[in-house]
This record gives sequence, C-alpha cells and structure tokens, in this order.
Amino acid sequence: RKEVEQDPGPFNVPEGATVAFNCTYSNSASQSFFWYRQDCRKEPKLLMSVYSSGNEDGRFTAQLNRASQYISLLIRDSKLSDSATYLCVVNIQNAGGTSYGKLTFGQGTILTVHP
Amino acid sequence: EAQVTQNPRYLITVTGKKLTVTCSQNMNHEYMSWYRQDPGLGLRQIYYSMNVEVTDKGDVPEGYKVSRKEKRNFPLILESPSPNQTSLYFCASGSTPGTSGRSSYNEQFFGPGTRLTVL
Repeated sequence: RKEVEQDPGPFNVPEGATVAFNCTYSNSASQSFFWYRQDCRKEPKLLMSVYSSGNEDGRFTAQLNRASQYISLLIRDSKLSDSATYLCVVNIQNAGGTSYGKLTFGQGTILTVHP
Repeated sequence: EAQVTQNPRYLITVTGKKLTVTCSQNMNHEYMSWYRQDPGLGLRQIYYSMNVEVTDKGDVPEGYKVSRKEKRNFPLILESPSPNQTSLYFCASGSTPGTSGRSSYNEQFFGPGTRLTVL
C-alpha cells in the first residue's frame, strides 16, 4: 500500500462547479499535511496547509480526518485557471515533535475545468 | 527576488558520465531537498538536508549523492548515471517541515526543474 494515495482522476468539471479531492495516508505518525498545485511541466507550489480544525482560503477548503487518516480539498466555483494537478503531501514527525524532514507526495489528482 | 535556482535546466548525457545538478536558494532556508518526478509514480524524495553538513536519505537515494557544505547550495551528484535515472528533477527549500507555526513555516519552494535524459 502506498504511503499517500490519491485518486488520479482526471476530473473534468464545468466552470462554476464544486469539486472535491480525497487523499489517504497510511502512517499514523504523520503530523503535517499540505496541498500543492502543479501546472503542466512546472514546479509544484503550495496551495494550502491542512490544519486539524480545517481551514479555508477563498474558494478552497481543506479538511483533515485523523481517525480515518484522510485529507480532503474542496474547490468551489471552479475557474478555468484551477486546471492543474493537485498534490497531497504528508510529513512525519517523531515523538519529540521534530520533523524527520521526509515529505511524501501522492501521485496527484488531475483537474480540468472547461467552459 | 526570493527563489530556488537549478542548473542545468535540460541535460542529455550518456551512461556512466558523472554529472552534477546544482541547486541554490537565497532565502536562508535550513531545509533543502531533491525530488524526482516520473509518470505514474509522482514526486519521490531522493535526499534531504536539515542544515549544513546534515543530510539524509529519502525514498529513492540509490545512485545519487548530495552534499551541503554551505546553507544556500545543495548539489545533486550522479556518479555513474544510468538510463533509469532519466527523469524530471526538482530541488526545494524551506523551513524545516513540521516546525511550529502556520503555513509560512512549512512551505517548500521548488526550483524550476531539471529534465535529465541518460542515453
């Protein structure tokens, strides 16, 4: 089983639609969670961190469910410019609260928003 | 301008010819890391460095070496490249993942990528 799993999609949605991505992780010691966005052949860029209480940034909402070990990203009112690959990223910390520094990426979920 | 730079951006080489891909950041970050990205496999971490002279293996370190003699630079060395190392490589830097604080402490800034082909 992969450490971080995402549905690769592709998701094809019309402008204005709401779309949700899920990501599951296998290591219960995982402590930090992120969503990155990657445009075709470009470098990944941080979209948002994911906090235990859930967090929102404009049209984007991230949720974390530690009991079920999954993370979600919700995009409301999709724009053409949202078309990209969305990467789920997990970091593991040791018992002392310091990071192992090892980030694990999911394979990414491809989103295409069409007119 | 805050950035991570990589050189070269594109490289075609032959099996066994040693090469180095440079990575440099101007944001005074302690943490730096190398990834390779392959179709169907996503981004996989090769090596990372928590600070100067501190490096550790990621998921796929075989066939690679790194060094961190100074804070801003983190070169990736392929002593004897093989065709299975043909890939898109990204360098990244940031504050140490998982340290306290909000997203600004955890964001990894990626370089533009190096597309390597080993024949």
